[in-house]
Amino acid sequence: GQQVMQIPQYQHVQEGEDFTTYCNSSTTLSNIQWYKQRPGGHPVFLIQLVKSGEVKKQKRLTFQFGEAKKNSSLHITATQTTDVGTYFCAGNFGNEKLTFGTGTRLTIIP
Amino acid sequence: DGGITQSPKYLFRKEGQNVTLSCEQNLNHDAMYWYRQDPGQGLRLIYYSQIVNDFQKGDIAEGYSVSREKKESFPLTVTSAQKNPTAFYLCASIARSRGGNTIYFGEGSWLTVV
Repeated sequence: GQQVMQIPQYQHVQEGEDFTTYCNSSTTLSNIQWYKQRPGGHPVFLIQLVKSGEVKKQKRLTFQFGEAKKNSSLHITATQTTDVGTYFCAGNFGNEKLTFGTGTRLTIIP
Repeated sequence: DGGITQSPKYLFRKEGQNVTLSCEQNLNHDAMYWYRQDPGQGLRLIYYSQIVNDFQKGDIAEGYSVSREKKESFPLTVTSAQKNPTAFYLCASIARSRGGNTIYFGEGSWLTVV
């Protein structure tokens, strides 16, 4: 089936350290999206990647889409306490049905 | 305010009862989705609708039903056939543009079976 695997499931980092979460699909994606869910909240759209090898930046966040359009990563530089939450990737296999990864829960140690 | 409104935010249900979760959007979006999220887990697709009067089953549709009689509304009914309904339910709609699609989520509904 069409699945999106995301690792790691949990990540604890010291404030100021970097953080990366990875998503992998067994089949080619038409696009991939990233979301952030704060504790007790709902997912909020961060970005969409469409092109092979695409890299996009939002301040301290860097998003990459693999050349084969099967994997993606989100990297946060110098984490802050406001970065706490669960980060989800969601893959679109071209059928309008988004498939979410299991998420990476980020906690920050002050 | 524009956006997606889900109600109720918290709902308790007795076993054997059907309950309906409301989802309304005033964003003029064609596509709407229902997801289920269990504690500490990702989102799983229940049903989705790309246009009025049309909807498709997602990955975990068993025990759920939907309707899409109006563009603005996509209610989800959790039937007594759903074996483990306690979860956080999220409704979403999609804005389509040349640059890609953007999903907007409602604030969610917590359903607890007692």
